[in-house]
Amino acid sequence: NAGVMQNPRHLVRRRGQEARLRCSPMKGHSHVYWYRQLPEEGLKFMVYLQKENIIDESGMPKERFSAEFPKEGPSILRIQQVVRGDSAAYFCASSPQGVQDTEAFFGQGTRLTVV
Amino acid sequence: GNSVTQMEGPVTLSEEAFLTINCTYTATGYPSLFWYVQYPGEGLQLLLKATKADDKGSNKGFEATYRKETTSFHLEKGSVQVSDSAVYFCALKDGNFNKFYFGSGTKLNVKP
Repeated sequence: NAGVMQNPRHLVRRRGQEARLRCSPMKGHSHVYWYRQLPEEGLKFMVYLQKENIIDESGMPKERFSAEFPKEGPSILRIQQVVRGDSAAYFCASSPQGVQDTEAFFGQGTRLTVV
Repeated sequence: GNSVTQMEGPVTLSEEAFLTINCTYTATGYPSLFWYVQYPGEGLQLLLKATKADDKGSNKGFEATYRKETTSFHLEKGSVQVSDSAVYFCALKDGNFNKFYFGSGTKLNVKP
């Protein structure tokens, strides 16, 4: 059973471009979480999604950031008009529905560099 | 609300020393508790977990006990190795909403 797959692992964008980060959850998992991690810092929660629904986006910046988890295909975190401050590691995690005590399973992350 | 507080790092120890990383939490219900480990350049991996009060999670020589009376889940290891150098995150899961809350992470450096 493949783990949580994130791609690309590394992404370089120029200021003003768009960044699209993809996350394929583990098979059978219907919950996806996105986190941002700045160098030498902890995880900052961004958004929690279920299939076709955004459950909690309290950690998402109001502008330029959006996330989706369609019925088919991976979850996408989109950052429009990137700025230097968006440079960070973005981690996706997934968990199954209906299993209360299970943990979140993390991907290897996408390291975004804005130049 | 829900939150996790863990001791600030970095923590620097010599090999074979005893390790304690403190973690306390606040929760509105009956959460599950977790410790994750992150090695440089990688994602988070589950180290251990406990799902109810007085449960002890253990793995690779690490242990943590779910203490409801003190709302704590401290991570311990009797004898650390250089290979244990990493960042450790304490986390809780709100069972009602399936949402995870993470502490700020504690960096552990183990010197030979």
